[in-house]
Amino acid sequence: GENVEQHPSTLSVQEGDSAVIKCTYSDSASNYFPWYKQELGKRPQLIIDIRSNVGEKKDQRIAVTLNKTAKHFSLHITETQPEDSAVYFCAASKDSWGKLQFGAGTQVVVTP
Amino acid sequence: NAGVTQTPKFRVLKTGQSMTLLCAQDMNHEYMYWYRQDPGMGLRLIHYSVGEGTTAKGEVPDGYNVSRLKKQNFLLGLESAAPSQTSVYFCASRYGGGAKNIQYFGAGTRLSVL
Repeated sequence: GENVEQHPSTLSVQEGDSAVIKCTYSDSASNYFPWYKQELGKRPQLIIDIRSNVGEKKDQRIAVTLNKTAKHFSLHITETQPEDSAVYFCAASKDSWGKLQFGAGTQVVVTP
Repeated sequence: NAGVTQTPKFRVLKTGQSMTLLCAQDMNHEYMYWYRQDPGMGLRLIHYSVGEGTTAKGEVPDGYNVSRLKKQNFLLGLESAAPSQTSVYFCASRYGGGAKNIQYFGAGTRLSVL
């Protein structure tokens, strides 16, 4: 089955700097790649997603890039702010039932 | 419009006890999912349903059962709880197939099995 690996497991950045989280997937049939943000004690919430027919997608300070050949995708957060501190999960899906295979998560800490 | 609601929010069980977690959504979504979240392991799919009356196994189904008797509700049951089932359980729902693939999550149920 699909396997999604996520790195790093923790990431500490200074406010205003950029943060990058990388994920690799094993199944070349995967075609949908969402990113979820989970604040402490809260539910995961979708922040951005990308489909396999697109190489890059941007939404204000957040961007996701996808390299289908290498089977990896990345989340980029620019001009980080303290409210960006959270756990970020990448995921991959390949079927119409929408089953998501999640990465293990990255704890991002933004220090003022 | 409450979205996805999970009850209860917290529960402590003794080994061998049974319980049912309820997930309710008011978005008329076809697809519903149950995940468990453990430290360092992300979210893992337990069971899912693609419509009323249907259920299917996910990645970690052992020790759990589910039912989807009504479109808006998805129940997760533990027949004989074990300490290994201590976890945070999240329910999610989705509109259906095709491009609208976004899963919306409930607030979670924190379960401890002693």
